Amino acid sequence: EADIYQTPRYLVIGTGKKITLECSQTMGHDKMYWYQQDPGMELHLIHYSYGVNSTEKGDLSSESTVSRIRTEHFPLTLESARPSHTSQYLCASSATGREQYFGPGTRLTVT
Amino acid sequence: EDQVTQSPEALRLQEGESSSLNCSYTVSGLRGLFWYRQDPGKGPEFLFTLYSAGEEKEKERLKATLTKKESFLHITAPKPEDSATYLCAVQLYSGGYQKVTFGIGTKLQVIP
Repeated sequence: EADIYQTPRYLVIGTGKKITLECSQTMGHDKMYWYQQDPGMELHLIHYSYGVNSTEKGDLSSESTVSRIRTEHFPLTLESARPSHTSQYLCASSATGREQYFGPGTRLTVT
Repeated sequence: EDQVTQSPEALRLQEGESSSLNCSYTVSGLRGLFWYRQDPGKGPEFLFTLYSAGEEKEKERLKATLTKKESFLHITAPKPEDSATYLCAVQLYSGGYQKVTFGIGTKLQVIP
């Protein structure tokens, strides 16, 4: 059973606010990922990390930033939220870089 | 451009009616193919990894197979609890970054 947690599960916030989406895993996985998924659409990778102090941008351009100070923690921050950021954000981790274990997701709505 | 195409987009089955979902890919240097199950409002749940043509994996009513250009997820005698979106993903050899590309998924509904 994968143990990966995301908070909050749902967030409604006004334009211009700064937000941080939390992701934690207890499996000791080095590799962690952030995906964005709109309804009925495929997952798009926005950030990934292969270990502490290692972060890279993914395939989908994003105005968000991430940090990886501890192995188990991989938060995603939006400095100024906009309606175009409304989406579902999924965090995942992996030991091998192959099969990934996903958290429950954060549904973000920016008004 | 690397692509993953899943078909059909949606599938409605009667309970007990077996069927197959398809995932075709146009990539070079396949490192692995993955199947996930995603329930509404939740993150994907890992099901299978397939590495080479001819390989098969089974779990309960699900069996995944792989050829050189496509994978099938066979569902035998499905039950309503098998209703979900099934995602296929492929991983490529791409330098230091192990790129994974996801398909849009097949939404399966199993009717009692």
